[in-house]
Amino acid sequence: ETGVTQSPTHLIKTRGQQVTLRCSSQSGHNTVSWYQQALGQGPQFIFQYYREEENGRGNFPPRFSGLQFPNYSSELNVNALELDDSALYLCASSVAAGQGRGGYTFGSGTRLTVV
Amino acid sequence: KNEVEQSPQNLTAQEGEFITINCSYSVGISALHWLQQHPGGGIVSLFMLSSGKKKHGRLIATINIQEKHSSLHITASHPRDSAVYICAVRFNELIFGTGTRLQVFP
Repeated sequence: ETGVTQSPTHLIKTRGQQVTLRCSSQSGHNTVSWYQQALGQGPQFIFQYYREEENGRGNFPPRFSGLQFPNYSSELNVNALELDDSALYLCASSVAAGQGRGGYTFGSGTRLTVV
Repeated sequence: KNEVEQSPQNLTAQEGEFITINCSYSVGISALHWLQQHPGGGIVSLFMLSSGKKKHGRLIATINIQEKHSSLHITASHPRDSAVYICAVRFNELIFGTGTRLQVFP
């Protein structure tokens, strides 16, 4: 059984650039959710993908977008990076999220710094 | 207004002490999670609760659905328990508390 792997682990980007973060889901899980965690804060929900479709979104602007692939891995894309986008980005996989079943497996996160 | 509130925000303890971290929430939920986050950032899921009590080793988690309250207890605390403990409730997605930073000194 594999866990959740996120890549890259660290990333530095310049304001205005675009970034893609990647997440593999745990074997047997079909749902991936993405979270942004600013320093000293709890994670905030960005969006969730279930069977390759977005099925929930938090209070984030459209420049935050995502994809889920047939193998249930996922990407988070952020366009027009702003300094406030600097954070730890976490992904978590689960089974049938939104239906109250199953736990979550978290990745170790990608720490994004925007300069 | 935070939908999930934890207390205390920071906690220091001597090795061997009994520790309690509290979580209150304001929304109807399908489950509550206790998570552990170490300085590197990775999160480990400790418990998922929808009622009652669960125990794993020195960790005990309880939840009172009527009172919308949960507690995480650590018995015989150890320096390796030092981490941030986060309560998260499952509505449609996970809603996280801001965490409790625990430091256990030898």
